[in-house]
Amino acid sequence: RKEVEQDPGPFNVPEGATVAFNCTYSNSASQSFFWYRQDCRKEPKLLMSVYSSGNEDGRFTAQLNRASQYISLLIRDSKLSDSATYLCVVSGSNDYKLSFGAGTTVTVRA
Amino acid sequence: NAGVTQTPKFQVLKTGQSMTLQCAQDMNHEYMSWYRQDPGMGLRLIHYSVGAGITDQGEVPNGYNVSRSTTEDFPLRLLSAAPSQTSVYFCASRETGLGNTIYFGEGSWLTVV
Repeated sequence: RKEVEQDPGPFNVPEGATVAFNCTYSNSASQSFFWYRQDCRKEPKLLMSVYSSGNEDGRFTAQLNRASQYISLLIRDSKLSDSATYLCVVSGSNDYKLSFGAGTTVTVRA
Repeated sequence: NAGVTQTPKFQVLKTGQSMTLQCAQDMNHEYMSWYRQDPGMGLRLIHYSVGAGITDQGEVPNGYNVSRSTTEDFPLRLLSAAPSQTSVYFCASRETGLGNTIYFGEGSWLTVV
């Protein structure tokens, strides 16, 4: 079983729509959780960290469900510029070793 | 701000050749790492280092060597390139401590023919 699993998508949504997707992780001892964004042929960049209480950054909301071992990302009022691949990143019990999901591709259309 | 700098950006190698991917960071981060990214797969950890003189293996270390003689530099050596090592390689660094952001270099596209 992969340590981190994501629905690869793609999620094709119109501008202004809301899109949400999850990521499941296998290590119950994981301590740190992140969503990274990766544009085509570019390096991943931090979108947001995910905190136990859930957190919001503008149009983006992240949630953590430790009991079911998943994190989620919700994008409201989608913009064309939100088109990207979103990577779920989870630490192991050793915070030095991060596990990456294969990514969820979101395409926002005009 | 330079951040994490890796070179070369593109490289074509013949099977059996060796080469070194260079990585440098100017953020004084103790932790540095190398990942490879293949289609349909997440980034996979090759090697990592928690400080100068300290390195350890990640998930897919075979065929690669690293060293960390300074805080700034963390080169990745391919000993005898194989077509299976065709991939995109990312160097990354972060501050040690729980939950700190990881910063990536722009990537190196390597093709082994």
